[in-house]
Amino acid sequence: QKEVEQDPGPLSVPEGAIVSLNCTYSNSAFQYFMWYRQYSRKGPELLMYTYSSGNKEDGRFTAQVDKSSKYISLFIRDSQPSDSATYLCAMSDGNFGNEKLTFGTGTRLTIIP
Amino acid sequence: ETGVTQSPTHLIKTRGQQVTLRCSSQSGHNTVSWYQQALGQGPQFIFQYYREEENGRGNFPPRFSGLQFPNYSSELNVNALELDDSALYLCASSFGTSGERDYEQYFGPGTRLTVT
Repeated sequence: QKEVEQDPGPLSVPEGAIVSLNCTYSNSAFQYFMWYRQYSRKGPELLMYTYSSGNKEDGRFTAQVDKSSKYISLFIRDSQPSDSATYLCAMSDGNFGNEKLTFGTGTRLTIIP
Repeated sequence: ETGVTQSPTHLIKTRGQQVTLRCSSQSGHNTVSWYQQALGQGPQFIFQYYREEENGRGNFPPRFSGLQFPNYSSELNVNALELDDSALYLCASSFGTSGERDYEQYFGPGTRLTVT
């Protein structure tokens, strides 16, 4: 079983819709949670970063972490065609001295104009 | 503020050969991590360097090695290349001080390695 599970999709939604992306994890030591966006043949770009449980909002993006359920989500409001990309969740156990990120496989998202 | 850069962009090597990939960290960052991303998969952690010392290693054999230099540039070396080493190799830099910002890793565009 992988430490981080993410539905690979693909996921297609019409422009303007709310997108929900999710990851589950098994390692209860994870404390830091991140979402990256990766365009084709490019490096991942950090979108959101959350410590422990709770919500964090940045513009059209909202990240949620529920540590009790070992479940994290990313919501994209008013989705745009430029949001079409692969979204990767990543997490770390906060062990200072080894800031290793463990990634999900990524969800491929297409926003249809 | 400059971003993370990597070279070369693409590389084709033959099985058994050796390869060196290079990374220049974002200005002010003293920690660099290397990841391997196979097609359709998420990045897998190879190792991390902090102030020129290896600071953690993932599940990769010793033929994967690295260096970090005082100017925060770094190298990933892979010996005895195998076909399964074909992947996108990513480096990521971070501030490397205690605190939450350590986990904000900023990635370069990657080097796509093909082993034939």
